[in-house]
Amino acid sequence: DTGVSQDPRHKITKRGQNVTFRCDPISEHNRLYWYRQTLGQGPEFLTYFQNEAQLEKSRLLSDRFSAERPKGSFSTLEIQRTEQGDSAMYLCASSLEGGPGNTEAFFGQGTRLTVV
Amino acid sequence: SQKIEQNSEALNIQEGKTATLTCNYTNYSPAYLQWYRQDPGRGPVFLLLIRENEKEKRKERLKVTFDTTLKQSLFHITASQPADSATYLCAFVTGGGNKLTFGTGTQLKVEL
Repeated sequence: DTGVSQDPRHKITKRGQNVTFRCDPISEHNRLYWYRQTLGQGPEFLTYFQNEAQLEKSRLLSDRFSAERPKGSFSTLEIQRTEQGDSAMYLCASSLEGGPGNTEAFFGQGTRLTVV
Repeated sequence: SQKIEQNSEALNIQEGKTATLTCNYTNYSPAYLQWYRQDPGRGPVFLLLIRENEKEKRKERLKVTFDTTLKQSLFHITASQPADSATYLCAFVTGGGNKLTFGTGTQLKVEL
């Protein structure tokens, strides 16, 4: 399978625990994005990487959130001290670098986080 | 701030009819606008991209229009089928890095 893969697909955690999600992008894509989606809403941008460099973070990304892409390949998104408001679908996407006319984003299946 | 609006009410149509979904935007002038399909529990899937200098774009049964004066894009599915039932999201590219700003999506239900 050459698509974007995310692991785990579902995560239930207790409030206050730390969680980490993994994303494996399409291998030749140098851009990797994280989005968050809550019920009835469209995905909201969190952060993106170009190769291993994290180039932008949304104001939605509080200091409890951290993302890495250590070798420019897979990425991890960690949430520390989870809160019930963190419950959402976390989506990873990848794309080729290029002008905005060829920025088709390929999304993974997402990780559904439930904080109880 | 930049905002995209899509009809939050579900659109129910009969099989074989044309579905038309609306995307309106404010406080921005995107050069490109994209449409994605999202099935329950899955990530969005890219459908079409239209540039500001393109009035219309077609792909099989899909057609997208882009009116920069009205700040609106319309998404049409002709000869709709039950398999077209999904949520359809419009998005535009903002800022560096080509990140996407999405609308809330419109759920389409095609009934037999």
